[in-house]
Amino acid sequence: AQSVTQLDSQVPVFEEAPVELRCNYSSSVSVYLFWYVQYPNQGLQLLLKYLSGSTLVKGINGFEAEFNKSQTSFHLRKPSVHISDTAEYFCAVSGSNDYKLSFGAGTTVTVRA
Amino acid sequence: DGGITQSPKYLFRKEGQNVTLSCEQNLNHDAMYWYRQDPGQGLRLIYYSQIVNDFQKGDIAEGYSVSREKKESFPLTVTSAQKNPTAFYLCASRGGVNAFFGQGTRLTVV
Repeated sequence: AQSVTQLDSQVPVFEEAPVELRCNYSSSVSVYLFWYVQYPNQGLQLLLKYLSGSTLVKGINGFEAEFNKSQTSFHLRKPSVHISDTAEYFCAVSGSNDYKLSFGAGTTVTVRA
Repeated sequence: DGGITQSPKYLFRKEGQNVTLSCEQNLNHDAMYWYRQDPGQGLRLIYYSQIVNDFQKGDIAEGYSVSREKKESFPLTVTSAQKNPTAFYLCASRGGVNAFFGQGTRLTVV
């Protein structure tokens, strides 16, 4: 079975500053990794995903993430945040041959002017 | 438009009553999921279905039931056995790798 740990529950950040959201996973099989964003009272939108190949993955809205197999991590980064990036962010994992999709506890990002 | 529709958006239930949350998708996806979201706990998997007439328990299935009689539909029943049903419920479908989410149903027990 796979599981995900998001290491930060809340991340306050100033506008135009960089942000990093940390995610570690555990799995005994090869995995697919995802980052989703959720705005208040809405569903989730996919930011980016890692399936295989290049370990640096670029997503929408200027986000990127790096897959590190040795550290079992998939941290999300953005070099310069905007007020509109205020949201909750979820890391998720799925086995590459498994339909089960598991999420972390989420990280709330609050961007201040 | 293609997508996932959850209804209703808000639902109130009296304690001791069963209630069914609707989830419909027209994306032709095989897999569908139900998650429960509570503050600080992220999304916890209730049930998922890989194919019609088949489904598996997730991490917190107790007090819930599902059916998958049609590819497009995956309703979730919150039974009276669920001790703390007030939460935000999210349905998702998955075709291939990507999962797509509905807008959620907020259930409140009154």
